[in-house]
Amino acid sequence: DGGITQSPKYLFRKEGQNVTLSCEQNLNHDAMYWYRQDPGQGLRLIYYSQIVNDFQKGDIAEGYSVSREKKESFPLTVTSAQKNPTAFYLCASSPDRNRGNQPQHFGDGTRLSIL
Amino acid sequence: DQQVKQNSPSLSVQEGRISILNCDYTNSMFDYFLWYKKYPAEGPTFLISISSIKDKNEDGRFTVFLNKSAKHLSLHIVPSQPGDSAVYFCAASLPALNRDDKIIFGKGTRLHILP
Repeated sequence: DGGITQSPKYLFRKEGQNVTLSCEQNLNHDAMYWYRQDPGQGLRLIYYSQIVNDFQKGDIAEGYSVSREKKESFPLTVTSAQKNPTAFYLCASSPDRNRGNQPQHFGDGTRLSIL
Repeated sequence: DQQVKQNSPSLSVQEGRISILNCDYTNSMFDYFLWYKKYPAEGPTFLISISSIKDKNEDGRFTVFLNKSAKHLSLHIVPSQPGDSAVYFCAASLPALNRDDKIIFGKGTRLHILP
């Protein structure tokens, strides 16, 4: 079945450590996204990528970094510069908008907690 | 500056009755609107969408209404069922010509279906 896989489901990090969240899709989608969900905040966009080797900052990119070396993969690194990293992180993908309006498909998320 | 607003954080509806979730937006350039449903610890799943050239789209128990002059859309669920208890996110996007694949999400409304 096609879909988006995020791993791990739960992740613990010590303060001062960088940590990388994995996101893989086999939907052949061009665009991929990272969101952060906090209670009462909805979904806030961290980074997105419309094509391989290109990505743009979202609304809350500070303290995060991404790469898009392959179409299928869009890993997110939460760096030690992110002062409040505890949150639920969601990855999504969608086809190229130029092919018509299509919804984003989401993974099941990774919950990151600071020890 | 919140471009997509869901002003009701929560809503309780009796099983079998109609659930109406509301959403307002500020950017008149949005041309595609979506509703997502989210259970705890899972990613959002796409529910229904509507293009700005329409004022209604129906899919089974779910109907979305769009009032462009009021910049308002609503999701109607009838009849409401226990499995409909979830958080519902309203979202909007700009035309593809904008070369921006971002989707703007509201903060969500938690729907409780009462037995």
